[in-house]
Amino acid sequence: DTGVSQDPRHKITKRGQNVTFRCDPISEHNRLYWYRQTLGQGPEFLTYFQNEAQLEKSRLLSDRFSAERPKGSFSTLEIQRTEQGDSAMYLCASSTLGGGVYNEQFFGPGTRLTVL
Amino acid sequence: TQLLEQSPQFLSIQEGENLTVYCNSSSVFSSLQWYRQEPGEGPVLLVTVVTGGEVKKLKRLTFQFGDARKDSSLHITAAQPGDTGLYLCADSPEGYSGNTPLVFGKGTRLSVIA
Repeated sequence: DTGVSQDPRHKITKRGQNVTFRCDPISEHNRLYWYRQTLGQGPEFLTYFQNEAQLEKSRLLSDRFSAERPKGSFSTLEIQRTEQGDSAMYLCASSTLGGGVYNEQFFGPGTRLTVL
Repeated sequence: TQLLEQSPQFLSIQEGENLTVYCNSSSVFSSLQWYRQEPGEGPVLLVTVVTGGEVKKLKRLTFQFGDARKDSSLHITAAQPGDTGLYLCADSPEGYSGNTPLVFGKGTRLSVIA
């Protein structure tokens, strides 16, 4: 399958711990996006990359959040010192440069984070 | 900041019924996208509409884009349990040529009961 993959699918952690999520985009896609989705809401944009360059990170929720895409392929999202309010679904999406004409993004299955 | 409002928030219907859900924007859409998301999964793109007044059909789903490009509707004919899910509308606020992150509405949660 050549879709977007995310790992792990579920993560349960204790408050104060660090967690890292991985996203593997569709192989020919050079844009990669991270979103967060809480219960009853639509996805909320966090950050995105074009190849290895992070184009926007001001929407990351706090300085506890960071993301990397070191070789322009897979990406990681790290949350340090997790809080209960970080509990959410973290979604990754990818697209080609220009997203086709209409910025069509393809989403992975998400990582469900629960902070106890 | 663009705001997308979707209605209704929840909808529960019997199999075979028809339904319509709506998406309204506080500003003109650049390119409106409709997604369906099943529980525990990521959103899946259903359709993209760009031109005011545009109508697109996808099997039993009909998507309409308002003439002023500030609203859209999704109509499902003869709903089936497989249609159950969260229906999201989204836009790229800075225009389709900008390839920017998407802004989503809160979605309409549809439940089709057999």
